[in-house]
Amino acid sequence: DAGVIQSPRHEVTEMGQEVTLRCKPISGHDYLFWYRQTMMRGLELLIYFNNNVPIDDSGMPEDRFSAKMPNASFSTLKIQPSEPRDSAVYFCASSFQGANSPLHFGNGTRLTVT
Amino acid sequence: SQKIEQNSEALNIQEGKTATLTCNYTNYSPAYLQWYRQDPGRGPVFLLLIRENEKEKRKERLKVTFDTTLKQSLFHITASQPADSATYLCALDIMGQGGKLIFGQGTELSVKP
Repeated sequence: DAGVIQSPRHEVTEMGQEVTLRCKPISGHDYLFWYRQTMMRGLELLIYFNNNVPIDDSGMPEDRFSAKMPNASFSTLKIQPSEPRDSAVYFCASSFQGANSPLHFGNGTRLTVT
Repeated sequence: SQKIEQNSEALNIQEGKTATLTCNYTNYSPAYLQWYRQDPGRGPVFLLLIRENEKEKRKERLKVTFDTTLKQSLFHITASQPADSATYLCALDIMGQGGKLIFGQGTELSVKP
């Protein structure tokens, strides 16, 4: 079991550029979560999917953020255009059966927007 | 408003002692509460899950309690070791929203030899 795989591990980009973060969940898991972690705000839930369908995107900060899950083995989080305040560590996690079972996190993508 | 609070200050203890971390919540009615460990540069790692009808759960040196009246969970590490040094996060589900898991800010634990 390779675990949740995120790419890239680090991303440095200039303000205004488009950023795409990628996630491969654990095979067989039916929930996928995107979280953002900063020192000030901790770990914030951005959006989560169940069976590839977005269920709750109320944590997405604004329209510049979008997430897709075209199939059970792949998800993307896109920021366009990026801004310095988007700098954070973005985590993807997956689980079987949602919040009543453990979440398995990837090691995150550290995004720096200059 | 809904809030999850963990020990805001870092916790420093001596090796061999019991570490006790607190998670308090307001305006939630969680059915499940989870604890995670996070090391620098890594994603959180699941430790324990406790259900609202369970008072206590144990796993090796770890013990979690869940008091829905006090709206509090306590996380204990007995016979602590320097390798237990990490940040510990509690997380609650949002009742009625089966997938939504919200995290506290975490407590940094440092175990000195």
